Amino acid sequence: NAGVTQTPKFQVLKTGQSMTLQCAQDMNHEYMSWYRQDPGMGLRLIHYSVGAGITDQGEVPNGYNVSRSTTEDFPLRLLSAAPSQTSVYFCASSQGRNQPQHFGDGTRLSIL
Amino acid sequence: AQSVAQPEDQVNVAEGNPLTVKCTYSVSGNPYLFWYVQYPNRGLQFLLKYITGDNLVKGSYGFEAEFNKSQTSFHLKKPSALVSDSALYFCAVREEGRSTLGRLYFGRGTQLTVWP
Repeated sequence: NAGVTQTPKFQVLKTGQSMTLQCAQDMNHEYMSWYRQDPGMGLRLIHYSVGAGITDQGEVPNGYNVSRSTTEDFPLRLLSAAPSQTSVYFCASSQGRNQPQHFGDGTRLSIL
Repeated sequence: AQSVAQPEDQVNVAEGNPLTVKCTYSVSGNPYLFWYVQYPNRGLQFLLKYITGDNLVKGSYGFEAEFNKSQTSFHLKKPSALVSDSALYFCAVREEGRSTLGRLYFGRGTQLTVWP
């Protein structure tokens, strides 16, 4: 049971480049979320999904897109990378709204 | 508005001593409260949660937390700290009945260091 798998683990981009952070879970969880973690800021929600085909914005959605075509996958797209998007990105899933979230090990992203 | 405060950026305690990591919250309705722990270069791991019922909640690795509605607090505690407890701890809250599905509000984290 792999849980929540994020790829890649590390990535360096140039300003203006685009990329997709991958997130997959094998627990058949309906709820999935993307957070970014910055020093002293805790975790901030970017986008979340309550099931295949259903997504919504979180606290800091600008510059990011998501889609949820399957229960298992929830990719996060950076359309045009900016240095302010340098962060550690975490994907999480849960069985229900008030159930514990299971986190991946993160993607460390640097934008030059 | 929902919010969580962890008033201490760092907590230092000697091994074997009791530890407390503080958390206060602000919600309009009934809170659902969570504690997570993060080890270096890892994602967050769930420790315990309060939804309803007994105000003292027991969780993983010997941790417990006490829900205090009048003080709007949910402090994390452990009777005897271990060096291996050293990590970053996050408190999080969700308000019952809110329509923002999947939304947890996280505190900024408290770095716990347990020295031998």
